[in-house]
Amino acid sequence: ILNVEQSPQSLHVQEGDSTNFTCSFPSSNFYALHWYRWETAKSPEALFVMTLNGDEKKKGRISATLNTKEGYSYLYIKGSQPEDSATYLCAFNRDGTSYGKLTFGQGTILTVHP
Amino acid sequence: GAGVSQSPSNKVTEKGKDVELRCDPISGHTALYWYRQSLGQGLEFLIYFQGNSAPDKSGLPSDRFSAERTGGSVSTLTIQRTQQEDSAVYLCASSPRTSGGENEQFFGPGTRLTVL
Repeated sequence: ILNVEQSPQSLHVQEGDSTNFTCSFPSSNFYALHWYRWETAKSPEALFVMTLNGDEKKKGRISATLNTKEGYSYLYIKGSQPEDSATYLCAFNRDGTSYGKLTFGQGTILTVHP
Repeated sequence: GAGVSQSPSNKVTEKGKDVELRCDPISGHTALYWYRQSLGQGLEFLIYFQGNSAPDKSGLPSDRFSAERTGGSVSTLTIQRTQQEDSAVYLCASSPRTSGGENEQFFGPGTRLTVL
């Protein structure tokens, strides 16, 4: 059984605050780590796909880091805006033979208050 | 361009009835995945299609669940004799390449299934 854990489960911040969440995953047989943003009534949307230990990716105010040896990834949001309110999902892909099948964490629900 | 679409968006059914959920992937995407999210749970893998074949059905929870894909495009997930524990949001995703966890998946908006 693969366990992907995300923390915190939910987070309330004020507009302009910077915040971060954690995703932990099995460090053995690692292949890829995905981050998705899922806004209410919309489709989950990919933010990042990371495959290499030490990867750092950035998209606007959002960035992510990856440590495959210890099995964790951080997602950072700088200067949160109300439109960042969403559920943030991380998903783990175990080695390259699993057809891209993803094992998801339960998500972190972010609410940004104006 | 058009994204992944799913229908219906909502489905309410009575226990014991059969339901069909449809997924239209992005044109040209060869890989197609079904996931579901039950209340309080994370997204759970159900089945993977490569073209019209399903090399990984390991996530289907029981033999009441089946899925097919035709023409390398549309996929249908069928649940027979629905049970209350089948209530969930069913999501479909497609990916342009044959396989590989390094490929981003493009998700549809989901079908919310409620079994009374």
